[in-house]
Amino acid sequence: KNQVEQSPQSLIILEGKNCTLQCNYTVSPFSNLRWYKQDTGRGPVSLTIMTFSENTKSNGRYTATLDADTKQSSLHITASQLSDSASYICVVSEGADGLTFGKGTHLIIQP
Amino acid sequence: DARVTQTPRHKVTEMGQEVTMRCQPILGHNTVFWYRQTMMQGLELLAYFRNRAPLDDSGMPKDRFSAEMPDATLATLKIQPSEPRDSAVYFCASGLNEGQGAHEQYFGPGTRLTVT
Repeated sequence: KNQVEQSPQSLIILEGKNCTLQCNYTVSPFSNLRWYKQDTGRGPVSLTIMTFSENTKSNGRYTATLDADTKQSSLHITASQLSDSASYICVVSEGADGLTFGKGTHLIIQP
Repeated sequence: DARVTQTPRHKVTEMGQEVTMRCQPILGHNTVFWYRQTMMQGLELLAYFRNRAPLDDSGMPKDRFSAEMPDATLATLKIQPSEPRDSAVYFCASGLNEGQGAHEQYFGPGTRLTVT
């Protein structure tokens, strides 16, 4: 069964600090991996999409890495801001449309 | 600023009642998805359409859920009869699949459904 596991489930850090969120998956065949940010009460918003051949991709202060051999991905947030408080969801695709979602990491940035 | 819209944003209903949720995808997008999100299960794909044709509804309880796209600007998700376990946030997302590689999905704000 295709699965996406995220860790930690929740994380609290101080504003200005860096953090890294983890995603392990067993989805096969693999097409692409996405990271979404979901603010409370809103729909998810895409941060990055990485295909098999991509090892890293950045979007501002967000940098995602992918190791397709070990089936692991990470999302690194640099110099965190209060607005980074949200849930971060890792999503793995078998094809153009089929998606398997992780349950997310709930991140809280404290001033 | 194009975005996916969903109505209603909130719905409280009694068990056994029919619920209809509506979604207007971004103009020009050819793929529409329905998702359900709960604390326990996270996000789950219920069904999706390409060019208005249903491609996959395996995630949907067939006996009570139905999804349709009467035209390119409207997707509906209907629950009849509703049950308390259907309480969740239902998201619609749309995207443009041009046949190659991954394509972005843009999510609407969701409909928060409470069935009492």
